[in-house]
Amino acid sequence: QSVLTQPPSVSAAPGQKVTISCSGSSSNIGNNYVSWYQQVPGTSPKVLIYDNSKRPSGVPDRFSGSRSGTSATLGITGLQTGDEADYYCGTWDSSLSAYVFGTGTKVTIL
Amino acid sequence: EVQLVESGGALVQPGGSLRLSCAASGFTLSTYWMHWVRQAPGKGLVWVSLINSDGSRTDYADSVKGRFTISRDNAKNTLYLQLNSLRGEDTAVYYCARARDGYNDAFDIWGQGTMVTVSS
Repeated sequence: QSVLTQPPSVSAAPGQKVTISCSGSSSNIGNNYVSWYQQVPGTSPKVLIYDNSKRPSGVPDRFSGSRSGTSATLGITGLQTGDEADYYCGTWDSSLSAYVFGTGTKVTIL
Repeated sequence: EVQLVESGGALVQPGGSLRLSCAASGFTLSTYWMHWVRQAPGKGLVWVSLINSDGSRTDYADSVKGRFTISRDNAKNTLYLQLNSLRGEDTAVYYCARARDGYNDAFDIWGQGTMVTVSS
């Protein structure tokens, strides 16, 4: 049972925008940096966002991250068919002394 | 090219053992904290274990504590995960991952994964 909760799925048409929420607590999101990972089916996860809102080089600025209190949000604008994937939030949990991932959200392009 | 390559996955009987390896190239492994993450078929990502840069600190998920052991050989640029007393629920793809800047930072490099199947 994950301690970070995400919606199971979101969908939108090409060119539109989606947001994915990640809800946690003070022991994880509230006091540690959040990262977001994209996993295209059959491949390894890839980091999209680190330190709540920073993008590694090579990640398009269509992807954005934010954190407020004990929740975090990933935004994807200008949706493309290649964005169809599973997305996970992740952070350190200071109470568990463990890295925790969200439940995962499947993004579908209509 | 910076990359991680896992190996060692196999079909093993319940109660059996296995050692996974993760070979690093394109960067100096000794500089980084490293993690193992697993993903059961059709399920989400689950953190398994971490090790600090010189191997003096390790941590484990409760579900594997006492059964799995993480280690590293920086001279060989290789990370390991010893899996003992394997159970059906350990069936998963196992990924090694590099922590970008410290134990609690993002995983910026992932291997391709190695499949462990526990079944009789």
